[in-house]
Amino acid sequence: KAGVTQTPRYLIKTRGQQVTLSCSPISGHRSVSWYQQTPGQGLQFLFEYFSETQRNKGNFPGRFSGRQFSNSRSEMNVSTLELGDSALYLCASSLAQGTGYTFGSGTRLTVV
Amino acid sequence: GNSVTQMEGPVTLSEEAFLTINCTYTATGYPSLFWYVQYPGEGLQLLLKATKADDKGSNKGFEATYRKETTSFHLEKGSVQVSDSAVYFCALIVNNAGNMLTFGGGTRLMVKP
Repeated sequence: KAGVTQTPRYLIKTRGQQVTLSCSPISGHRSVSWYQQTPGQGLQFLFEYFSETQRNKGNFPGRFSGRQFSNSRSEMNVSTLELGDSALYLCASSLAQGTGYTFGSGTRLTVV
Repeated sequence: GNSVTQMEGPVTLSEEAFLTINCTYTATGYPSLFWYVQYPGEGLQLLLKATKADDKGSNKGFEATYRKETTSFHLEKGSVQVSDSAVYFCALIVNNAGNMLTFGGGTRLMVKP
């Protein structure tokens, strides 16, 4: 079956702009989470959605937001981009709590 | 809180050498433990997992045993290949406390022919 699909794979944005990233989970997976990966901070949890509701949120500023649609697809939005937002953003889907996640290939965001 | 500590890399080995990557954790509850692997330019792939004490996860020749007494989940492989070169992440989820993975810092493995 198809894996987790993230689009786009690469993005270049200018400081101050906003960006929307998209994630399509594995069919049947209702939990979708987002992680930010940077060389300095490693992998950090952003938020988790389940059945269109945000269930958990990491320690990121309010510029980072997300949502989930009725078909479980998810988007995350970053407003007023800063240079430090340059990172690989990973989406992952899960069938049930504690079972682990299947990750997408990520969207590499570069802010210039 | 929850945390995962991995040995710092890079770990450089010759092909067919024995691999151990150490991982220890602290958790506020009862965790499930995971090893993920990341190849260059890609996302994370689940390598193996263990959900309770003394469980052994295994996949593609890699193994790790959930040791509650030492709060460890060390990754081992008897004979590494060049294709195993990647970054390896140890992670945990605390059961019944959200579905958030807490990751270690990652260990880069380089295998030379």
